[in-house]
Parts: sequence; structure tokens; C-alpha cells
Amino acid sequence: EVQLVESGGGLVQPGGSLRLSCSASGFTFSNYAMHWVRQAPGKGLEYVSAITGPGGDTYYADSLKGRFTISRDNSKNTLYLQMSSLRPEDTAVYYCVKGSSLVNFDYWGQGTLVTVSS
Amino acid sequence: QSALTQPASVSGSPGQSITISCTGTSSDIGGYDYVSWYQRHPGKAPQLIIYHVTNRPSGVSDRFSGSKSGNTASLTISGLQAEDEADYFCTSYTNINTLVVFGGGTKLTVL
Repeated sequence: EVQLVESGGGLVQPGGSLRLSCSASGFTFSNYAMHWVRQAPGKGLEYVSAITGPGGDTYYADSLKGRFTISRDNSKNTLYLQMSSLRPEDTAVYYCVKGSSLVNFDYWGQGTLVTVSS
Repeated sequence: QSALTQPASVSGSPGQSITISCTGTSSDIGGYDYVSWYQRHPGKAPQLIIYHVTNRPSGVSDRFSGSKSGNTASLTISGLQAEDEADYFCTSYTNINTLVVFGGGTKLTVL
């Protein structure tokens, strides 16, 4: 059974940093692209970032580039999202998502809440 | 504001058919056949129901179908059932750096 468990969310002040982790199990982690998708309160889903299976290629929403960094450790079956210079508008539930391909998603984690507020 | 435009809500009676549109640009929907649709029930994880514009994953009812014309993709649900009441959102590959763009989601109400 595929499981994706996010952690690392919480309350952070504007300008602060946070690292999200996603522990994956139930599939060969290194074979699949992984994604981060977020949903702000009362808003729709927003694409954040993606990384290919071997980790050689990364993609970011234009509005986030330079502040967020996606990475993965295939030896630990773990996906990461390093977030810096956080802004109140980054407040959202962040979902770790397994890709069935680079542009399709087949499994979603339960999400971790990031709140950026003073 | 989402990159892809969907109606906020649609409704239909059991047995009827409804169509949800998803409008983008030539950089995404219009340029590539990588449109997907997802169904999301409250409190549940989204489920992929259409990929590559028209394809259904194994196990998805054939009451769900997808199409595309120009910069607009559409999801049609025929023979509406109460269990179809959910949020539906579209995604598309984009040749702008982001890779994937999302629609804002459409709430389907089965009357």
C-alpha cells in the first residue's frame, strides 16, 4: 500500500524558514517523480514543485522560484521541501504527491499545515 | 487566481449529463495533450479520473469522459449519480517553467 506521510509543518514568522519532509513507502521511490502541491485556506490547489525520480531535474512554480528548494534522498525514501523567506501568502496545507508520470498524480499524502504569521 | 479557468459550480439531476470546462492557453491545454482531471470528495485525497485528455485509469467508470478543443478541455459525466457529487479540478502540462498548472476547481452538486 502506497503511503505518503508529510511532516515539518507549523507556525513560522514572516521571513523565516521551514523544511517539510515526506516519508514514502509501498512503492519503489526512486522510480517516480514526486511533487509538492499546496492549498491555501479557501483557495484551490496550487502547484509548487516537482523532482524527477533520480533527482536530476527540478521544477518550480514561477512565483516560488528562488525561495523554495525541492530535493529527495532515494536511500531514505524521503522527499523534502526547503522553504525560505516565507510570506503570509505561503500559508497553506502542503501535500506530498506521487507522480504516475511527470505530469499526473496518483497518490496524495494527508498534508501538513504551514502557517506564516507574526 | 488559478492558471486554468473552471466554473465555480455546476449541478445536475440524477441520470443527466453535465460538462465541466477548463480553459487555458496555447502554452498548456492548447499546445499539448497532457490534460488530466481529478475528483475530490471532502476530506479525501484527489483521484485521477482522466489523463492525457481522454484516457481513463483502470477502475474509473466509463461515465467519465474527457475531450479538448483548442485551449479548452472538458470533462463530461453521464448518468449522474449521487456519489458523483464532489469537487473536480483539471491540470495541464505547461511549457512555461512551472511544469504543471491547475484549474481552480468546480463543485458538482447532484440535485
